[in-house]
Amino acid sequence: QRVTQPEKLLSVFKGAPVELKCNYSYSGSPELFWYVQYSRQRLQLLLRHISRESIKGFTADLNKGETSFHLKKPFAQEEDSAMYYCALRGSNFGNEKLTFGTGTRLTIIP
Amino acid sequence: DAGVIQSPRHEVTEMGQEVTLRCKPISGHDYLFWYRQTMMRGLELLIYFNNNVPIDDSGMPEDRFSAKMPNASFSTLKIQPSEPRDSAVYFCASSRQSGETQYFGPGTRLLVL
Repeated sequence: QRVTQPEKLLSVFKGAPVELKCNYSYSGSPELFWYVQYSRQRLQLLLRHISRESIKGFTADLNKGETSFHLKKPFAQEEDSAMYYCALRGSNFGNEKLTFGTGTRLTIIP
Repeated sequence: DAGVIQSPRHEVTEMGQEVTLRCKPISGHDYLFWYRQTMMRGLELLIYFNNNVPIDDSGMPEDRFSAKMPNASFSTLKIQPSEPRDSAVYFCASSRQSGETQYFGPGTRLLVL
């Protein structure tokens, strides 16, 4: 299982749309997550695909055909500046292992 | 609840020394995870425990690394002897049950000179 985040750095103007890319490889039906780490705070769960929620205006749709789980927000806010990690957990029973991408640092330009 | 607690927050040591990192999971959580974060490799799982029993240690780099969980409220990750390439941020996380959210500690920043 592998998670790829192609952008190490992403800068977006305040009010512009945001898209953080995540692609995965896994032979099965994985569970996908986005974690976020704000400056001087702990890594925390932002959202998971099975919840199908919008958190802080962010959404992410699992596209099994493209094996992607991109994170999107229509209008960026300054407080969105943070490090974002995409993660995958396999579907086999009892597997708690999370595989993380290398992360994308998002900077919102005022 | 204070969340997952890790100590020390920062550690600077010399090559060859033994390093012990400590973690206290959230009370009532059955799973405990140790991760390592580096610039080159990102965040990698080293080992995880369920009810104090190691389940998957396939991420432990080599014999210099060992982890224990003597009881439900305490775990250690030991590196002996330490090497400069071990310099990284080490995170501990815990989750209540299988499939539930993992909650991360603040991390220990280790520098081996």
